[in-house]
Amino acid sequence: KAGVTQTPRYLIKTRGQQVTLSCSPISGHRSVSWYQQTPGQGLQFLFEYFSETQRNKGNFPGRFSGRQFSNSRSEMNVSTLELGDSALYLCASSAGQGADQPQHFGDGTRLSIL
Amino acid sequence: AQKVTQAQTEISVVEKEDVTLDCVYETRDTTYYLFWYKQPPSGELVFLIRRNSFDEQNEISGRYSWNFQKSTSSFNFTITASQVVDSAVYFCALSPYTGANSKLTFGKGITLSVRP
Repeated sequence: KAGVTQTPRYLIKTRGQQVTLSCSPISGHRSVSWYQQTPGQGLQFLFEYFSETQRNKGNFPGRFSGRQFSNSRSEMNVSTLELGDSALYLCASSAGQGADQPQHFGDGTRLSIL
Repeated sequence: AQKVTQAQTEISVVEKEDVTLDCVYETRDTTYYLFWYKQPPSGELVFLIRRNSFDEQNEISGRYSWNFQKSTSSFNFTITASQVVDSAVYFCALSPYTGANSKLTFGKGITLSVRP
């Protein structure tokens, strides 16, 4: 069974640009969550989608947005990039909502802002 | 609000030593889940264990064991006879138990280095 796939693996952008990251969950998984990992703040929850609806949102500015498609694939978008957005962005999928379904993570997209 | 504290930031041991990674959590929920994840240099978070708050039985899986003590809000992880392949960053995490909220709150992580 293929794991969670995130593309691209690495991305370099400049301040002010926008970026879109993609996540394909494990087949059959309907819930997708996104996390940001930085050396200073650690792992922080961004948002969670289930059945194309955002179910939960972390404390991030509106520049961070996401969506989920009918095939459960998800994208997150960051607009007007800032230096502080440099991070590893991790996507996780689970079979259903709620923590009774463990989240399985992808390898992440490493975003660098110049 | 939920909080996970991993007071140890870096641990270095020699292969075959036993090592315990500490995790202390705070939550107002009466029921919740606790997790441990491993992050090797490749970046992927690997799920190790999930424990619900009403099951305080300790668990052993091969060289790994977990000690959950609700009275002290701790969920410690012990690796017995450590190996070089155990070198990674280990995260403890907490999530609500009820409802549709599966948001994970992570600790800062512990970097474990196992030397040959």
